[in-house]
Amino acid sequence: EVQLVESGGGLVQPGRSLRLSCAASGFTFDDYAMHWVRQVPGKGLEWVSGISWNSDHIDYADSVKGRFTISRDNAKNSLYLQMNSLRAEDTAFYYCAKSMRLLEWLSDWGQGTLVTVSS
Amino acid sequence: NFMLTQPHSVSESPGKTVTISCTGSSGSIASNFVQWYQQRPGSAPTTIIYEDNQRPSGVPDRFSGSIDSSSNSASLTISGLKTEDEADYYCQSYHSSTWVFGGGTKLTVL
Repeated sequence: EVQLVESGGGLVQPGRSLRLSCAASGFTFDDYAMHWVRQVPGKGLEWVSGISWNSDHIDYADSVKGRFTISRDNAKNSLYLQMNSLRAEDTAFYYCAKSMRLLEWLSDWGQGTLVTVSS
Repeated sequence: NFMLTQPHSVSESPGKTVTISCTGSSGSIASNFVQWYQQRPGSAPTTIIYEDNQRPSGVPDRFSGSIDSSSNSASLTISGLKTEDEADYYCQSYHSSTWVFGGGTKLTVL
């Protein structure tokens, strides 16, 4: 069974940093591209970033470019999102998800972790 | 910026058929695949349609997707509505190597 388990969310002050993790199991992690998608509570979905299986290709939404960094460790079956210079508008549930390639559909999603940016 | 526009909400009775539209703001929506995601209250999204009209295993054939190039829109059709179909539905496509989601449609089955 595919499992994607996010962790690392919490309350953080504006301007500070936070690192999210996603632990993957139940599939061959390095066969898949991985993504972060976020959702402001009660609002719609926003794709944040994606990374190819070997980290050769990385894309970001304009809203986070220059502040967020996606990475992965295939030996640890883990995906990460380093979030710097956090803003109130970054408050959201953050989901990790997998796809066969960077521009292919998201076949599995995690349950999400909540990031709250507030003073 | 490329946008996908969905109706904010739709409602229909159990057993009926409902169609949710997703209209592209520019270019041809047929140029890139469209996906549809279902999100029930308090749960993570799941994929119900990928590559315009394909269903992942386990998704019932009551769910179908289509593309209409003349209106530059994609559609999700759910037939034989059940109360469990009550959820938010999001369309998604791609533009310049990034992902674009529609704003979501709340489906009420009453």
